[in-house]
Amino acid sequence: QQQVKQSPQSLIVQKGGISIINCAYENTAFDYFPWYQQFPGKGPALLIAIRPDVSEKKEGRFTISFNKSAKQFSLHIMDSQPGDSATYFCAASSAGGTSYGKLTFGQGTILTVHP
Amino acid sequence: NAGVTQTPKFQVLKTGQSMTLQCAQDMNHNSMYWYRQDPGMGLRLIYYSASEGTTDKGEVPNGYNVSRLNKREFSLRLESAAPSQTSVYFCASSEIAYNEQFFGPGTRLTVL
Repeated sequence: QQQVKQSPQSLIVQKGGISIINCAYENTAFDYFPWYQQFPGKGPALLIAIRPDVSEKKEGRFTISFNKSAKQFSLHIMDSQPGDSATYFCAASSAGGTSYGKLTFGQGTILTVHP
Repeated sequence: NAGVTQTPKFQVLKTGQSMTLQCAQDMNHNSMYWYRQDPGMGLRLIYYSASEGTTDKGEVPNGYNVSRLNKREFSLRLESAAPSQTSVYFCASSEIAYNEQFFGPGTRLTVL
């Protein structure tokens, strides 16, 4: 059962454009939503994360938008650069219950930024 | 400070063979995890260890066993490898469960 659904599977953006990746979750107990970035041949690395007490979090060119009622969250990359070309994963976990501390990942989005 | 290290980087097995994937972290983290990554399926949790001395099943534990040898090391064993276990395996650690997870470089395993 896929509890976190991510779209699109792949995304091509021109340099300077905005990249948007969306995720939807089912488990209402989820309360921690990180995004991971993975370059080819490397392990994923935390990019940015949000907890549901805020609707938006921004770090440099990266912004997470969170909609608790819709059970959706998204990653926006402003002024996309070729160096942003990577695979992006959303994830979710909860502070309690059977999902405590266990990240459930989305399927991943392969982002390509053309120069 | 190496972070999370995994050995080996690559491995080819024949169906039915066994092997152990090694993972170690030098960040004094309490929690450690094993994931597998398959195309189009993201990362799926195999087993995790919230603290030294404890282990628990994740989403896809069948065909695997784990050992939390000490606080630093967490190994994953395939007793009888199957082609369906062909995947990239990642180990991760976090200070405590529910915190940022740090990933190793991965082991690419092929089972023929």
